[in-house]
Amino acid sequence: DGGITQSPKYLFRKEGQNVTLSCEQNLNHDAMYWYRQDPGQGLRLIYYSQIVNDFQKGDIAEGYSVSREKKESFPLTVTSAQKNPTAFYLCASSQGGLAAPQLFFGEGSRLTVL
Amino acid sequence: SQQGEEDPQALSIQEGENATMNCSYKTSINNLQWYRQNSGRGLVHLILIRSNEREKHSGRLRVTLDTSKKSSSLLITASRAADTASYFCATANNQAGTALIFGKGTTLSVSS
Repeated sequence: DGGITQSPKYLFRKEGQNVTLSCEQNLNHDAMYWYRQDPGQGLRLIYYSQIVNDFQKGDIAEGYSVSREKKESFPLTVTSAQKNPTAFYLCASSQGGLAAPQLFFGEGSRLTVL
Repeated sequence: SQQGEEDPQALSIQEGENATMNCSYKTSINNLQWYRQNSGRGLVHLILIRSNEREKHSGRLRVTLDTSKKSSSLLITASRAADTASYFCATANNQAGTALIFGKGTTLSVSS
């Protein structure tokens, strides 16, 4: 089935460690996104990519990094510079080149810093 | 950043009742979208209404858009316990390649 796969679903990290969250899509979508969700704060945009080898910072990019080497993959690294990384992370994709396209979401990855 | 703001933050109703959620936004938009999120899961797209549309229906969902007031409403008719979820509106400006900005959501609880 076509869709977006995020892994791992749950991840625990010690302070000072970098962790990478995986996001893979087989929808042949050009655009991919990472959002962070905290209780009561809705979704906030971290990074997004409209095309391979290109990406833009969202509203809360500090402490995060991404790469877009392949169309189907958009991994997110949460670095030790991110001061409060415990959150629910959501990856999404959409058809590129459109204004305000519909997003397709993965099931999320919950990161907890111990 | 441009952002939709949903109202109310939380809503509790009985099965069979209608649920209405509102969304306000700040700048001109290409379209407005509503998404649903079950607890601990990803978001699922419900409906999209374009800026030149005033009302749209999909099953038990009815969405209205008032661009002069920069507001939208989502009505769920004859609600069911399975409608219990959080509902988010999302907007983006008119430029291609701009990411959607989400509001904080309305948490709907439907009791049987």
